[in-house]
Amino acid sequence: EDQVTQSPEALRLQEGESSSLNCSYTVSGLRGLFWYRQDPGKGPEFLFTLYSAGEEKEKERLKATLTKKESFLHITAPKPEDSATYLCAVQAGTGRRALTFGSGTRLQVQP
Amino acid sequence: SAVISQKPSRDICQRGTSLTIQCQVDSQVTMMFWYRQQPGQSLTLIATANQGSEATYESGFVIDKFPISRPNLTFSTLTVSNMSPEDSSIYLCSVEGRVGEQFFGPGTRLTVL
Repeated sequence: EDQVTQSPEALRLQEGESSSLNCSYTVSGLRGLFWYRQDPGKGPEFLFTLYSAGEEKEKERLKATLTKKESFLHITAPKPEDSATYLCAVQAGTGRRALTFGSGTRLQVQP
Repeated sequence: SAVISQKPSRDICQRGTSLTIQCQVDSQVTMMFWYRQQPGQSLTLIATANQGSEATYESGFVIDKFPISRPNLTFSTLTVSNMSPEDSSIYLCSVEGRVGEQFFGPGTRLTVL
């Protein structure tokens, strides 16, 4: 059974204080690992896809990295508008197209 | 990325009634997915809906409770039947992109009294 575990559950940062979110996974042959951002009352917003260990993707203050067992979402010099819940999901290489999600990390960035 | 809309955006319903949620996509897609997000929790897949075939339900979800229609390549409905307060959740539809990522609608927030 595919499993995704995210840590920490919640994170409070001061504006400009860099940190990392963790996503550990077990999956039957990883087809893709996905990061999403979710604001309250909205659907998840797609951020990144990672396919193989060693891969990195960047977008503004966010950088996602991938190893064979986990992924990190690094947030550099965050701003209050980066406050959201960040979700990690995996897609197995078994032909199953659905995503398995972690429980998310609630990030709050204080000015 | 696809643009996805859902109706209604929110509703408050009485126990024992049913609600049908609509999901409209701005382009033709083969697969659509329905997820549930209970308060404070992450997303759980309810079913996968392909046009022209019966939906495939995940363990713990049954067609009698969550019937799904997929009449064409841009539209799907999810019905939550005989509702109870435990059905209070956000219901989300999604479609698959070119490389496996999924794009989500804004969600339908359902409260059952």
